[in-house]
Amino acid sequence: EAQVTQNPRYLITVTGKKLTVTCSQNMNHEYMSWYRQDPGLGLRQIYYSMNVEVTDKGDVPEGYKVSRKEKRNFPLILESPSPNQTSLYFCASSDRGGGIQYFGAGTRLSVL
Amino acid sequence: AQSVTQLGSHVSVSEGALVLLRCNYSSSVPPYLFWYVQYPNQGLQLLLKYTTGATLVKGINGFEAEFKKSETSFHLTKPSAHMSDAAEYFCAVSGPFQGAQKLVFGQGTRLTINP
Repeated sequence: EAQVTQNPRYLITVTGKKLTVTCSQNMNHEYMSWYRQDPGLGLRQIYYSMNVEVTDKGDVPEGYKVSRKEKRNFPLILESPSPNQTSLYFCASSDRGGGIQYFGAGTRLSVL
Repeated sequence: AQSVTQLGSHVSVSEGALVLLRCNYSSSVPPYLFWYVQYPNQGLQLLLKYTTGATLVKGINGFEAEFKKSETSFHLTKPSAHMSDAAEYFCAVSGPFQGAQKLVFGQGTRLTINP
């Protein structure tokens, strides 16, 4: 079954404690993205990747890092989380730019 | 820069009534346009997309949308609402070619269906 898998689904942490949210896709897609969803703001792109070792900033990259060492994986790293990063995060993948994006189920993060 | 505006953060219709969710976009070049749906506690899934060609696009679950370049709109419609249509709907735009990997979403419209 084609899918995008995010882990964990729920995470509560404290300010400054480094964390990683993993994302994996089994569709051999080249494009992958991270979004955050906040009430009244829709989804905003954090980072995207067009292939292995190729990443670029989206609209809200501050405070986040990503890496793309393998085609299937695109982890999101928060090195020093702050309360304003409390949000619902989605990973997505696509076979090409402008193609259909397939979303993971989401990771709800709370930073205390 | 591209942007998307969805008119109405909440829309409520009766079961069997017409559903109309409005989306206007801003883009300097002909864009790719999408509607995604999000059911409670789930990720987003594609309803329909417009890239080129026919301006009336049919999607899943009886939804359709019409690309109107002169009005810079891509409104989503369904002739007869069903209870299962209750969800949040997002309009999104991306550029063609080099801009295609950057997807910009609207704020979302929560659709409620009254029995």
